[in-house]
Amino acid sequence: QVQFVQSGAEVKKPGASVKVSCKASGYTFTSYAVHWVRQAPGQRLEWMGWINAGNGDTKYSQRFQGRVTITRDTSASTAYMELSSLTSEDTAVYYCTRTAAAAGVNNWGQGTLVTISS
Amino acid sequence: DVVMTQSPLSLPVTLGQPASISCRSSQSLVYSDGNTYLNWFQQRPGQSPRRLIYKVSNRDSGVPDRFSGSGSGTDFTLKINRVEAEDVGVYFCMQGTHWPYTFGQGTKLEIK
Repeated sequence: QVQFVQSGAEVKKPGASVKVSCKASGYTFTSYAVHWVRQAPGQRLEWMGWINAGNGDTKYSQRFQGRVTITRDTSASTAYMELSSLTSEDTAVYYCTRTAAAAGVNNWGQGTLVTISS
Repeated sequence: DVVMTQSPLSLPVTLGQPASISCRSSQSLVYSDGNTYLNWFQQRPGQSPRRLIYKVSNRDSGVPDRFSGSGSGTDFTLKINRVEAEDVGVYFCMQGTHWPYTFGQGTKLEIK
């Protein structure tokens, strides 16, 4: 079955960067985009961006433009999300997801808690 | 960005009774291909979101038929025919028509 396993929780200082990984299994990795969504305490879910796992094209939300970089390693069926210049407002659970407008094509990782604290 | 507004934000329901959640978007969600990319998600406590409905009214695999979605343009509704204990959680609408995709603020369903 389709599964996404994300890297473990992180604690970072303000101004630092964090890189979260998302390993996919159970489907052909290069056939779908991998998206990144975050959930901050008391805030709405936010769509950050995505990567076409086949050709590496990326699209980012303007809100994160310049601070987020999404990459992938096709040999490892793994996508990565790096967020820089962290502030306390970046404290959130970060999810990777595969999604398409078709039945059953919506799978989520378990989430990675990133805490920003001095 | 498209703003998604849900109501109510809190929904206490008696087991076996119906429930309904409304979602409105700040602009039409009809895409240039004619499809309307409005989805509904459920998030149980401590779990990742799970999509229930895609393109307004299509149930995802394994979703009980007591869940249904309807609507068009800017007004959408999620209905649960007979609420069960396992339905407790937060429900989100989400639009995938305009970039960036955006979510509603969530409706917390609890059992009375």
